[in-house]
Amino acid sequence: EIVMTQSPATLSVSPGERVTLSCRASQSISSDLAWYQQKTGQAPRLLIYDAYTRATGIPARFSGSGSGTEFTLTISSLQSEDFAVYYCHQYDDWPLTFGGGTKVEIK
Amino acid sequence: EVQLLESGGGLVQPGGSLRLSCAASGFTFSYYSMTWVRQAPGKGLEWVSTVYGNGAFTYYAASVRGRFTVSRDNSQNTLFLQMNSLRAEDTAVYYCAKDPLTSGGHYLDSWGRGVLVTVSS
Repeated sequence: EIVMTQSPATLSVSPGERVTLSCRASQSISSDLAWYQQKTGQAPRLLIYDAYTRATGIPARFSGSGSGTEFTLTISSLQSEDFAVYYCHQYDDWPLTFGGGTKVEIK
Repeated sequence: EVQLLESGGGLVQPGGSLRLSCAASGFTFSYYSMTWVRQAPGKGLEWVSTVYGNGAFTYYAASVRGRFTVSRDNSQNTLFLQMNSLRAEDTAVYYCAKDPLTSGGHYLDSWGRGVLVTVSS
């Protein structure tokens, strides 16, 4: 099973700041990585797929990068609506696995 | 607009059974693989099962294999998850989600709102 490790677990940020979230795979997953945003009480929402492709309707302030085992989600200027938990997800091999999440909270 | 609506959740005793449904609309249901993902209270996301668009192939997490069965009725645009021999650790919100392709094992581009399953005596 491919283990996905996200860091940090929690990030305290002020609105307007640049945010970088990390995700590491226990083995190479090429670019088969997605990022999701989940707000409290809501379903996850797809942000990024194939490591760097923004999903439909996702603002340009969200960007993804990386390949192999190291991946990054960057939010260029954090908006109030971006405070949430972010999950990475590998789909390179079965079983599909998710990272433990990074909570982005207000500083 | 893609819509996924789960139903069938509730409180069940350990060892009991439950059948979840996910009614889909807004897309050609038979075209796409569908997946169940669950989230225990206060925890992260856990993939449960995937079924291909034509229903020919199914995949399961080790934690549910042999107890859960995923299926679909493409004539009714509905996805199912039959859950047997339920355990306390199966307590979670269960989401159905849509794959972008007919073969499974990809990212999930649309999600339902989820349904709560509680396993407790």
